Amino acid sequence: DAGVIQSPRHEVTEMGQEVTLRCKPISGHNSLFWYRQTMMRGLELLIYFNNNVPIDDSGMPEDRFSAKMPNASFSTLKIQPSEPRDSAVYFCASSLQGLAPDTQYFGPGTRLTVL
Amino acid sequence: KQEVTQIPAALSVPEGENLVLNCSFTDSAIYNLQWFRQDPGKGLTSLLLIQSSQREQTSGRLNASLDKSSGRSTLYIAASQPGDSATYLCAVTNSGNTPLVFGKGTRLSVIA
Repeated sequence: DAGVIQSPRHEVTEMGQEVTLRCKPISGHNSLFWYRQTMMRGLELLIYFNNNVPIDDSGMPEDRFSAKMPNASFSTLKIQPSEPRDSAVYFCASSLQGLAPDTQYFGPGTRLTVL
Repeated sequence: KQEVTQIPAALSVPEGENLVLNCSFTDSAIYNLQWFRQDPGKGLTSLLLIQSSQREQTSGRLNASLDKSSGRSTLYIAASQPGDSATYLCAVTNSGNTPLVFGKGTRLSVIA
């Protein structure tokens, strides 16, 4: 298995532009998580899905952020409009819930820079 | 609200030394605790997972312990090597279907 795939790996954009981050979870996994990592705040959960349904989006900073999971093999995180404070590394992770022990498998991340 | 703290934030040791990384959490009603490794510019790799009913887990030179009642976990690395240099993150979850809450990590440098 190729693991969790994220694209793009790096994104540089200007303030006000729309940014779309993409994630392909591990085949067969039924939970997907989006995290954001910054020096100041560490790793924070933004939103997670079980069986393609958003379960908890309380970590989404504000209405500028939205996430979708149209099917079991694809998810997007969109920021519109982007701001410099959104600069961070965004990680996607997937897991197979219902079995123990369960662990989350992380993608390589997307490093976003908003100028 | 669960909070996870890792001390120290950074650690530098000579090669060959045994070392301990610390993790504490505020809500002892955890489901499991995981230790991850993160290399610069890379994602996270799970090292060890301890279920709430377990006291420790071992993998090679790594040993993780869990004391739920005191809200603490330690990661012991034996005979450290330069290749162990990375950031180590501790994370807990409060149920089988809730996300991980991470500490900010300990940045380890092992000097040859």
